[in-house]
Amino acid sequence: QVQLQESGPGLVKPSQTLSLTCSVSGGSLNSGGDYCTWIRQHPGKGLEWIGYISNSGDTYYSPSLKSRLTMSLDTSKTQCSLKLTSVTAADTAVYYCARDSLVKTPVTTRAFDIWGQGTMVTVSS
Amino acid sequence: DIQMTQSPSSLSASVGDSVTITCRASQSITNHLNWYQWKPGKAPNLLIYAASTLQAGVPSRFSGSGSGTVFTLTINDLQPEDFATYYCHQSYSTLYTFGQGTKLEI
Repeated sequence: QVQLQESGPGLVKPSQTLSLTCSVSGGSLNSGGDYCTWIRQHPGKGLEWIGYISNSGDTYYSPSLKSRLTMSLDTSKTQCSLKLTSVTAADTAVYYCARDSLVKTPVTTRAFDIWGQGTMVTVSS
Repeated sequence: DIQMTQSPSSLSASVGDSVTITCRASQSITNHLNWYQWKPGKAPNLLIYAASTLQAGVPSRFSGSGSGTVFTLTINDLQPEDFATYYCHQSYSTLYTFGQGTKLEI
């Protein structure tokens, strides 16, 4: 059974770069329709989609974060990573990775069918 | 961006009750609508995808309906483990967006 686990520093200083890794166990993101997507939840707030990287390395980022964001996927497709530069307190959140799967029945659509438990990141000096 | 408006934001119910949560999209998303269950400290769980298809392993007391701009998640015969926060999510647009969440409390 495929599982995801986020890892990274819990505390980042303002203006520095936040780096997180999502490790895939029990399988890989090897299906052509799989994306590794990142979502965050600010304290006491709703969910914000950050972006995804596809199985083939294509990326799509939220326009609000695009200028600061880089995602990557390792060649074994068992780790995807997120780098967010020039962080501020507004980037304090729980960060989740999820498998964004292509579903073909009953219609072709996408859904996040496997999630990590999330990792809390605080931006503070 | 497609705005997703979820209601109510919180809901009180008892074990055995039935509840319905509504999600409205700012434009038609046909049936590209998913529902998730969130519990503190746990990985979120996909319940329903494509508006009405039950994810494998999810109890049949969960059901989804709707198309276009209005969608509902219904939970029948509430069980203690169902008290959680629920989010809708549209995958019609590549710029994914979520509802604000509904906290289901005892």
